[in-house]
Amino acid sequence: EADIYQTPRYLVIGTGKKITLECSQTMGHDKMYWYQQDPGMELHLIHYSYGVNSTEKGDLSSESTVSRIRTEHFPLTLESARPSHTSQYLCASSEFGTYNSPLHFGNGTRLTVT
Amino acid sequence: QKEVEQNSGPLSVPEGAIASLNCTYSDRGSQSFFWYRQYSGKSPELIMSIYSNGDKEDGRFTAQLNKASQYVSLLIRDSQPSDSATYLCAVNGPGRLYFGRGTQLTVWP
Repeated sequence: EADIYQTPRYLVIGTGKKITLECSQTMGHDKMYWYQQDPGMELHLIHYSYGVNSTEKGDLSSESTVSRIRTEHFPLTLESARPSHTSQYLCASSEFGTYNSPLHFGNGTRLTVT
Repeated sequence: QKEVEQNSGPLSVPEGAIASLNCTYSDRGSQSFFWYRQYSGKSPELIMSIYSNGDKEDGRFTAQLNKASQYVSLLIRDSQPSDSATYLCAVNGPGRLYFGRGTQLTVWP
């Protein structure tokens, strides 16, 4: 079973601040993903990575950026937080890619921008 | 057209009943299908995966797949109040998983 960790669990921050949401997994999964989800709403893929030094934008236009310097680490950065960024951010990983391999999700980071 | 469509909810069933959740998908090349359960405020957790036509049973859960009809379903037998959650259907596509909007299930005692 994949172990995937997100920190912080909750973050309240003021407008204009730079923030980094951390995501780490210990299973050596190549693929990692960031989803954004508002309460009661659907998941939106915002970034994904197929491996080290590989990152792609997802379906939802996002002002965030990601990096993948190490296999186990996939941080998401907002250079200047705005109230519209208030949401839950979910990190996920998968072993071989998505064929035959489900996603394993972290516990999420609930971000509030005031 | 959305890649994955789920039956509109919310779905409400009494305790002990069978809950039936449905999902259709558009990509005929899809080969992997998953059901996730998401409790309010929590992250999705995998409850079933299915790759071949037919039924797959795991405890009170049965997943059914019909690739010809591009249809996958989840049956929950003997529904319990603890099954109250949103159920997400996920289907593999080019390079990633596609999620449906989810069906909210409420099981009342």
